[in-house]
Amino acid sequence: AQRVTQPEKLLSVFKGAPVELKCNYSYSGSPELFWYVQYSRQRLQLLLRHISRESIKGFTADLNKGETSFHLKKPFAQEEDSAMYYCALKAGGFKTIFGAGTRLFVKA
Amino acid sequence: SQTIHQWPATLVQPVGSPLSLECTVEGTSNPNLYWYRQAAGRGLQLLFYSVGIGQISSEVPQNLSASRPQDRQFILSSKKLLLSDSGFYLCAWSPGTEGYTFGSGTRLTVV
Repeated sequence: AQRVTQPEKLLSVFKGAPVELKCNYSYSGSPELFWYVQYSRQRLQLLLRHISRESIKGFTADLNKGETSFHLKKPFAQEEDSAMYYCALKAGGFKTIFGAGTRLFVKA
Repeated sequence: SQTIHQWPATLVQPVGSPLSLECTVEGTSNPNLYWYRQAAGRGLQLLFYSVGIGQISSEVPQNLSASRPQDRQFILSSKKLLLSDSGFYLCAWSPGTEGYTFGSGTRLTVV
């Protein structure tokens, strides 16, 4: 079955500390993975895609097929990074499956 | 540039009343369109998606239906709302291979 698991509902770090939001997926095919972010009072928006291998706002995510993971990382968290983060799996066709989300708090 | 509009932003409806939420996309043609429900702690649940006019795929059996009367219009409906239909509904579009662009959402409260 296709599934996306974000084990942490809430993650709290201090400003300047490294942050890692975990995401594991279950899919037998070749996955396309995404991270979406929702800042307070803003729309849910795409943060990055694994196929782009890009760094957005200092965040990176590497697809590890052996561990079926796509963790989101940033070496130095900023207060403006506080938001809700969703990992998503495009499991073939037109459907995308979302994880339950992780709320990140970055404390001053 | 492409934009997506979703309305209303909030809605309070009595049990048993009908529902119609509308979503329109501008600046693109033949988009893939989606309706999701966002629940706290449970992520986003895909309700319906459409790859073309009149083509609707339902993911979850429920009290809701969707229609796509025009290329860039996607409507979420119900004939009789239930209390369990309360939630935050998101419309999204995708050109196909890339990620989604989401609307601003509708907070529906059924009383």
